[in-house]
Parts: sequence; structure tokens; C-alpha cells
Amino acid sequence: GQQVMQIPQYQHVQEGEDFTTYCNSSTTLSNIQWYKQRPGGHPVFLIQLVKSGEVKKQKRLTFQFGEAKKNSSLHITATQTTDVGTYFCAGPGTSYDKVIFGPGTSLSVIP
Amino acid sequence: DGGITQSPKYLFRKEGQNVTLSCEQNLNHDAMYWYRQDPGQGLRLIYYSQIVNDFQKGDIAEGYSVSREKKESFPLTVTSAQKNPTAFYLCASRTQWGYTFGSGTRLTVV
Repeated sequence: GQQVMQIPQYQHVQEGEDFTTYCNSSTTLSNIQWYKQRPGGHPVFLIQLVKSGEVKKQKRLTFQFGEAKKNSSLHITATQTTDVGTYFCAGPGTSYDKVIFGPGTSLSVIP
Repeated sequence: DGGITQSPKYLFRKEGQNVTLSCEQNLNHDAMYWYRQDPGQGLRLIYYSQIVNDFQKGDIAEGYSVSREKKESFPLTVTSAQKNPTAFYLCASRTQWGYTFGSGTRLTVV
């Protein structure tokens, strides 16, 4: 069946270092969504990418959607302690009204 | 403010008990979802509903039941048939841009 994978599973960085998480789908996606979940909190929608090769920025966060629309990445420049959390990607499932969430990448930032 | 309200925040269940988790939204969204999250894991879909009086099983529906009598409400019942119910339960609604999640209910079997 359709799968959405993310790497790495965990990442520990020194504050100020950059961070990247990668998302890969077994099928072509019409769009990809990214969410952030703080420790003890709930997922919060960050962004949706729709176009092949699309790049969007939100302050220090840069999101990319691959040319083949099967992969995506989230890059954080100069991490801060407020970036701590788990970042999930999600893509449409076989049913139009469902999304498949990746397992997430947990980011720890060492002050 | 518009949003999704889940209650209670923490819930303790004895073995063999059914418990119901509440989910209310004032976003006027048609589609609502229930997810289960285990420690260090991703989100697994339990049930979802696209319109009132209609709902479909997700990937892990066994041991759970739902109802959708009103657009605003989508309660989840964790039955005694669910063998390992301890988890974090998240309710969500969907727009064309993404999901909005409630703050979740942490269920523990004691």
C-alpha cells in the first residue's frame, strides 16, 4: 500500500546549526503538507505544497516539493530552542479525503 | 475563536470499561477525523466522517466506535474490545489547506 517515510527519525543539533528532514512517498502526490508537534502538544499545520519543484519559505523554514512530486524536505536555518518538536509530512491517501502521515522527525536543540 | 475542543484532557479507564472522548468544532467543517498516537509514533487513523450521519473506518477501527449526529460533534468511544487503548487521541477537521487538530485526550488504562 501507499507509504510515506521520513528520515531521520531523530536529530539532535546544537543551537544555531541547520536542520533538514526528508519525506518520501511510494506514490506521486498531488500535494504535501507539513505539521509541527511540540512536546506534549498537538500537530499544527505549517504549510501545503502543490506544484512540482515548489519552494516556500516561512522565516527560517524552507519547504521544497520534489520535481517528481514524490519527495519533500523541510530545512530550518540556524535552529533555535523554539524549533524543538516533531515534524510530520503528510500526503493524500488513496481516498480523496484522507491523508497519510509520515512517522515524523523528532528535533532536539541543545542550547 | 474558532477551533476544535477535546475533552477531557486526561482520562483513566479501568479494564473492561467503555469510555467516550468528546470532540466539538465551531469551524463549520464537514470532515472530521480521529487519530491515535502512541509514544514516539506517527498518527494512525481510527475513523473519519465526511458529513452528518455518515462515517468510515480508518486503518485501526477495531475496538472503537463513533457517531456523527451533529456537524459540530464527533465523539469517539473506546470499547472494552480495544486491547491496548493507552494512547494520545487527536480529533481533527479538514479544510482544503490542511488539518486543524484539537489539543488531544491522553487515555490511560489503570
